[in-house]
Amino acid sequence: AQKVTQAQTEISVVEKEDVTLDCVYETRDTTYYLFWYKQPPSGELVFLIRRNSFDEQNEISGRYSWNFQKSTSSFNFTITASQVVDSAVYFCALSEAEAGGTSYGKLTFGQGTILTVHP
Amino acid sequence: DTEVTQTPKHLVMGMTNKKSLKCEQHMGHRAMYWYKQKAKKPPELMFVYSYEKLSINESVPSRFSPECPNSSLLNLHLHALQPEDSALYLCASSQEYTDTQYFGPGTRLTVL
Repeated sequence: AQKVTQAQTEISVVEKEDVTLDCVYETRDTTYYLFWYKQPPSGELVFLIRRNSFDEQNEISGRYSWNFQKSTSSFNFTITASQVVDSAVYFCALSEAEAGGTSYGKLTFGQGTILTVHP
Repeated sequence: DTEVTQTPKHLVMGMTNKKSLKCEQHMGHRAMYWYKQKAKKPPELMFVYSYEKLSINESVPSRFSPECPNSSLLNLHLHALQPEDSALYLCASSQEYTDTQYFGPGTRLTVL
């Protein structure tokens, strides 16, 4: 069975600080996808990134960067120079891509990390 | 354009009422999803439609009845709900099942 763990329940930072959100996953599949979603107070889940299991290249998008390490089954998310608008709940999620499994295609979410950025 | 729309935004209903939630996407996606999210919890999958056919029902009580009238629309019919069904109901769509899911803004449901 697949599992996603976000050990940090809540993080509080002051604007302009860098912050890293941790994500550790478990899966028996060799082919899978990892995601990060942002959920601001309005409620909509906003897609941030998808990474497949064969692509371990780190990615940077503006102030956001992601570090994928298969050796430690981690997919961490860093926000550089945080802003108040980054305040939200962030979910890491896993989707297995090998057909036939009971979890095939389903998104397994972590419990989420509440990030609060203070001005 | 990755927009999924949901109506209504808020809904308050009694336990004997019948109501429906609506979801729409015009991205040509062939998979659509209903999720339920309680406060401070991650979303929980309820139903998946793939090519307008129900492909996954996560053992959801029959008081929730999904419907996919066409490839762009997804409804969730509600009847005889319980107060514990109060939650945020999220709709999502993806190009194909297993592709990236894009979520709508959700309907906040309160059952009195």
